[in-house]
Amino acid sequence: DAMVIQNPRYQVTQFGKPVTLSCSQTLNHNVMYWYQQKSSQAPKLLFHYYDKDFNNEADTPDNFQSRRPNTSFCFLDIRSPGLGDAAMYLCATSKEGLAVPTYEQYFGPGTRLTVT
Amino acid sequence: AQKVTQAQTEISVVEKEDVTLDCVYETRDTTYYLFWYKQPPSGELVFLIRRNSFDEQNEISGRYSWNFQKSTSSFNFTITASQVVDSAVYFCALSPFSGGYNKLIFGAGTRLAVHP
Repeated sequence: DAMVIQNPRYQVTQFGKPVTLSCSQTLNHNVMYWYQQKSSQAPKLLFHYYDKDFNNEADTPDNFQSRRPNTSFCFLDIRSPGLGDAAMYLCATSKEGLAVPTYEQYFGPGTRLTVT
Repeated sequence: AQKVTQAQTEISVVEKEDVTLDCVYETRDTTYYLFWYKQPPSGELVFLIRRNSFDEQNEISGRYSWNFQKSTSSFNFTITASQVVDSAVYFCALSPFSGGYNKLIFGAGTRLAVHP
């Protein structure tokens, strides 16, 4: 089945130790998103890739970076995790185009990040 | 400003009761999309419905129904004959039609608990 896969499902890192979360998709969607969801809150968009173009949200801290080496994969890098970065990180994909109406986003199961 | 308000933080019902989840949105755009997502305890956001601003027809899908009223900027979600498996957090989301990518602006979510 076509889907969005996130690895690992649970990640523990130490304060200040760089960590990378990964996302892959078999949907062949051209847009990939990273959301941060803290406990009992709504998901918050960090950034997205439209094809190869990276788009950062204005309030996303510089500590968060992303890479998309190809259509299928996207990575979230947290350069120096702080305690406040503990959250669920959700990857999503959608098929978008200038002449195409907005479609739904498909979400992965998320990676729960713990910072010790 | 674009905003989604889900005033009900938590709802608790007994199985087989009908329940309505409220969603009120704010936008100055004339073209936009509205979504409902379900987030079960496993964490994955599951797409339920997408509605564009020009389509005010109500929709029914099995036990689920949606009432879109532009006059009151509301997009309410009703579950008929609720079941324990409906227990989840439900998010309403707004997406302005940017022609480029689909930015989801989520409400705070409503946690639904269905008891046997």
